[in-house]
Amino acid sequence: GAVVSQHPSWVICKSGTSVKIECRSLDFQATTMFWYRQFPKQSLMLMATSNEGSKATYEQGVEKDKFLINHASLTLSTLTVTSAHPEDSSFYICSARGPGLAGVHYEQFFGPGTRLTVL
Amino acid sequence: GENVEQHPSTLSVQEGDSAVIKCTYSDSASNYFPWYKQELGKRPQLIIDIRSNVGEKKDQRIAVTLNKTAKHFSLHITETQPEDSAVYFCAASWSGFKTIFGAGTRLFVKA
Repeated sequence: GAVVSQHPSWVICKSGTSVKIECRSLDFQATTMFWYRQFPKQSLMLMATSNEGSKATYEQGVEKDKFLINHASLTLSTLTVTSAHPEDSSFYICSARGPGLAGVHYEQFFGPGTRLTVL
Repeated sequence: GENVEQHPSTLSVQEGDSAVIKCTYSDSASNYFPWYKQELGKRPQLIIDIRSNVGEKKDQRIAVTLNKTAKHFSLHITETQPEDSAVYFCAASWSGFKTIFGAGTRLFVKA
């Protein structure tokens, strides 16, 4: 149990276009999802916390108008990178945290990641 | 802001030896400390975690210790095997929220 999927697994786009990444919790309800960005050989950096039915909370330095997050249901959160530029190229990983999973209330379940390349 | 420091950045050990990775956190409100193993291009995998009300936890060859007073926590891997080679991240959070990751340790286990 506790499986998180992400789609697409990789995407290549032209500079100036927008890209949407989906994060789904497949077998549990995720009241909270997190979006991370990871540059090559670097650590995971928390971008925002997404709560179902409410606005996302963005970390300092992350532009909310550029990285649009929607968490419309308990199983789906989306990250849209608007007007993408080459410097947005990165590995984007989501994770989900759900209530009611006995013994694992604090644990995050990570998606497989999406590699975005902006030309 | 909150910060997690991790050392060393690279660790090379002989198969069968032990490996120790150390982390320090700054936010005294942190109460949950997971450790992740990440292979190239893949998602982080939780290998062990510890909560602030516990000082030590062990799972087969892996153990974690926590010193809340000093804000230190460490990962110990015994009897290392080549398949343990990966990047390991420590993290600190408040109940699973606002997770801050360390910079990572690249572990090489030589056969």
